Amino acid sequence: LAKTTQPISMDSYEGQEVNITCSHNNIATNDYITWYQQFPSQGPRFIIQGYKTKVTNEVASLFIPADRKSSTLSLPRVSLSDTAVYYCLVGERADSWGKLQFGAGTQVVVTP
Amino acid sequence: NAGVTQTPKFQVLKTGQSMTLQCAQDMNHEYMSWYRQDPGMGLRLIHYSVGAGITDQGEVPNGYNVSRSTTEDFPLRLLSAAPSQTSVYFCASSYVRAGVTYEQYFGPGTRLTVT
Repeated sequence: LAKTTQPISMDSYEGQEVNITCSHNNIATNDYITWYQQFPSQGPRFIIQGYKTKVTNEVASLFIPADRKSSTLSLPRVSLSDTAVYYCLVGERADSWGKLQFGAGTQVVVTP
Repeated sequence: NAGVTQTPKFQVLKTGQSMTLQCAQDMNHEYMSWYRQDPGMGLRLIHYSVGAGITDQGEVPNGYNVSRSTTEDFPLRLLSAAPSQTSVYFCASSYVRAGVTYEQYFGPGTRLTVT
C-alpha cells in the first residue's frame, strides 16, 4: 500500500494561500487520494478527494500531476480557523482497506 | 442524521479490566472502522467491517475484539486493558461506490486512560 510523506508543520498568516504537498511514490493505478482535516479533540473531517489533474470544492483545491506520485492540497486565503492537522491518505479501496495507513500529518498554524 | 456517535467520551480503566467502546452510525454505511491515535501521531487502523457479520484486522488488532451484528453498530472490546492501550479511539463509517470508497465519517472519539 502506498505510504505517504508530508511536511511535519507549516506556518502561515491569515489571508495567505497554503499549499501542502504529499508524496506517495508507490500509489496504485486505482488508488484515489483523500485529504482530511483534524482539529484538537475531534475526529478527522473529509476535505477533498481526487484521482488525477485538479479537483476543487468550496474549501480547497487538490492538484495531482500526471505521474500521480504526489499531490498538493491548496487552501486559499486561510483564516485562524484553518489551524489544524492535515492528513493525506491513499488507498481507501475495498480490496486494501485493512492496509490503510494515516501518516503523521502536517500541522498548519495560521497567525494574524 | 446524528452521523457517527461514540460512547463514552472518557474512560479510565485499571490494568486487566475489560470494557466495550460503543460506536453507532445512522447513515446506512457499509464500512465501519476503529482507529487509535496516540499523542502527536496519525491514526492507526485496529479493526474494520465491510458489512454486518464481516470483520477483519487492521494494522494493530492485538488486544481488541470486534463484532458487527447490525449495519448500525460496531463495538470495540478491550479484553484485558494494558497501559499501552491508553489512547484516543475513533470510529468511522464510509460507503462504497463502484469499488472505490468515498470519504470516511469520523465520530468524536473516546479518550481512554489505562492505569
